[in-house]
Amino acid sequence: GQQLNQSPQSMFIQEGEDVSMNCTSSSIFNTWLWYKQDPGEGPVLLIALYKAGELTSNGRLTAQFGITRKDSFLNISASIPSDVGIYFCAGQSNTDKLIFGTGTRLQVFP
Amino acid sequence: NAGVTQTPKFQVLKTGQSMTLQCAQDMNHEYMSWYRQDPGMGLRLIHYSVGAGITDQGEVPNGYNVSRSTTEDFPLRLLSAAPSQTSVYFCASSYSDTESPYEQYFGPGTRLTVT
Repeated sequence: GQQLNQSPQSMFIQEGEDVSMNCTSSSIFNTWLWYKQDPGEGPVLLIALYKAGELTSNGRLTAQFGITRKDSFLNISASIPSDVGIYFCAGQSNTDKLIFGTGTRLQVFP
Repeated sequence: NAGVTQTPKFQVLKTGQSMTLQCAQDMNHEYMSWYRQDPGMGLRLIHYSVGAGITDQGEVPNGYNVSRSTTEDFPLRLLSAAPSQTSVYFCASSYSDTESPYEQYFGPGTRLTVT
């Protein structure tokens, strides 16, 4: 089946640093989504991308839909303590189903 | 709007017991789905529904049943619980229109332990 490789698995950074994480797929996707999950909560949608090459920002977050349609990245600028959590990418191909990456666990130290 | 609600929040079952995890949404979303989340494996789709009366299997459907008699509710049934079903279960919903078909809203989750 389709697989999403998300990296890195975890990141430990200092407050104020920029963060970058990415997802790659073995097949083409039509949609890329980025979610954040706080401890004990469900994932919350951060950014949705629907077009190859699309670059979208949401505050300090920026995500891009790769030109090859097989990858996407998420950048967080000037990290703050509340950025702590698990970030998931999700992709959709030609079916009704979303496939999720395994997550990037972000820890921010003051 | 309450969004997506799930009950119970925590549940402990013995092997072989059955139970139903409840999910409801008040956003008039056509699309609803159930995921399980296990450490290091992300979210895996169990079953989904594109509208009332329509359900389909996801990636890991074995041991689970669903039904969709109304737009609002999408219960997940464990027929005979097994320790391998110990997990966190999330329900999600979204519109199915062409503009934002996959922007899913998640519930808070049900943490299930099977002993």
